[in-house]
Amino acid sequence: NAGVTQTPKFQVLKTGQSMTLQCAQDMNHNSMYWYRQDPGMGLRLIYYSASEGTTDKGEVPNGYNVSRLNKREFSLRLESAAPSQTSVYFCASSYRLALYEQYFGPGTRLTVT
Amino acid sequence: KNEVEQSPQNLTAQEGEFITINCSYSVGISALHWLQQHPGGGIVSLFMLSSGKKKHGRLIATINIQEKHSSLHITASHPRDSAVYICAASTGNQFYFGTGTSLTVIP
Repeated sequence: NAGVTQTPKFQVLKTGQSMTLQCAQDMNHNSMYWYRQDPGMGLRLIYYSASEGTTDKGEVPNGYNVSRLNKREFSLRLESAAPSQTSVYFCASSYRLALYEQYFGPGTRLTVT
Repeated sequence: KNEVEQSPQNLTAQEGEFITINCSYSVGISALHWLQQHPGGGIVSLFMLSSGKKKHGRLIATINIQEKHSSLHITASHPRDSAVYICAASTGNQFYFGTGTSLTVIP
């Protein structure tokens, strides 16, 4: 089992460009999450999907959109990238929300110039 | 305001020492999570607990719900324990993370 996979691993964008970060899990988990990690800030939840067909905003959703394509896949889209979105992005999944441990992907390091 | 506070921020220990990392939270929680992030960046879940104490190998996690406090202990620390340890509080549909404790264990 691959666990949680993310693509790409690294990306450099110019301000105003768009891109989609892909995430997939093969553990038959119901819930999936997107986080960003910035120095000195800790992980912050961007969006989550409690189950297939549902998505909800987390702590820092502005500037992002998500799609829960099916049970396995959860993508994060930046429509018009800004330098403030330079960060490391982690996808995670869990069997269900809150009372189950989360499994994290390897992360995507995004730089917006 | 930070819903989850960790201390210390940085910790250096000699191999073999007993280590304690503390976590205080201000929200009502469903569960408290301890995560480990290695220098390469990968994050793994160590513990999830909502009461009492859990042990896995040399790692022990405890939680005091009344005091809204959790501790992560590492017994007989080893250089391979060097990592960032992150505390997270889950409140049903939200997760709040501490900024992490960077641990370095010197041989």
